[in-house]
Amino acid sequence: EAAVTQSPRNKVAVTGGKVTLSCNQTNNHNNMYWYRQDTGHGLRLIHYSYGAGSTEKGDIPDGYKASRPSQENFSLILELATPSQTSVYFCASGDVGGNTLYFGEGSRLIVV
Amino acid sequence: AQSVTQPDARVTVSEGASLQLRCKYSYSGTPYLFWYVQYPRQGLQLLLKYYSGDPVVQGVNGFEAEFIKSNSSFHLRKASVHWSDSAVYFCAVSAGNAGAKLTFGGGTRLTVRP
Repeated sequence: EAAVTQSPRNKVAVTGGKVTLSCNQTNNHNNMYWYRQDTGHGLRLIHYSYGAGSTEKGDIPDGYKASRPSQENFSLILELATPSQTSVYFCASGDVGGNTLYFGEGSRLIVV
Repeated sequence: AQSVTQPDARVTVSEGASLQLRCKYSYSGTPYLFWYVQYPRQGLQLLLKYYSGDPVVQGVNGFEAEFIKSNSSFHLRKASVHWSDSAVYFCAVSAGNAGAKLTFGGGTRLTVRP
């Protein structure tokens, strides 16, 4: 069964609206990550977390917030969505020792 | 700062042919290196990883990669591709310490012709 699940899988939002992308992992990993994937850019890190209650800025954090209320859950929040945030978002969990990441299936967001 | 370059955005090969996907990284220390594969409408899955030791590492489904420090490269190879290998392949680098961030290349879309 899937160890990293994301919801919603597809979302259409209006400019200026609030969007929350949720991620749940059953790997019992301390580390969790949010990436966005855009053609030509590969995956770029938005926010990450080392455990419940912690969030860290990644390489492109502007316009995004993150929340890690528990070991299992990590959310990405767009307070004021813009069309430039149209993308596919991936959540991942990671084992501390080996750096291997385990990805969810992605959330496709369109901001109109 | 670390970075990864995959110079070939798209590669097309015939089924049964050999394959090499190129990856060059930039990192001042000793890197941890990874190849991930993404099938349509799915998340990324680990193919193989290199931390230390034998520079040629074996992965799933007959894939292997060779770490060449002098060239800062970590190219992915397969002796004979199958149509099911069609996917997007990502190379990634990490500093290797606990919780280190992975930096991904732009990806290479592989199409295998039947």
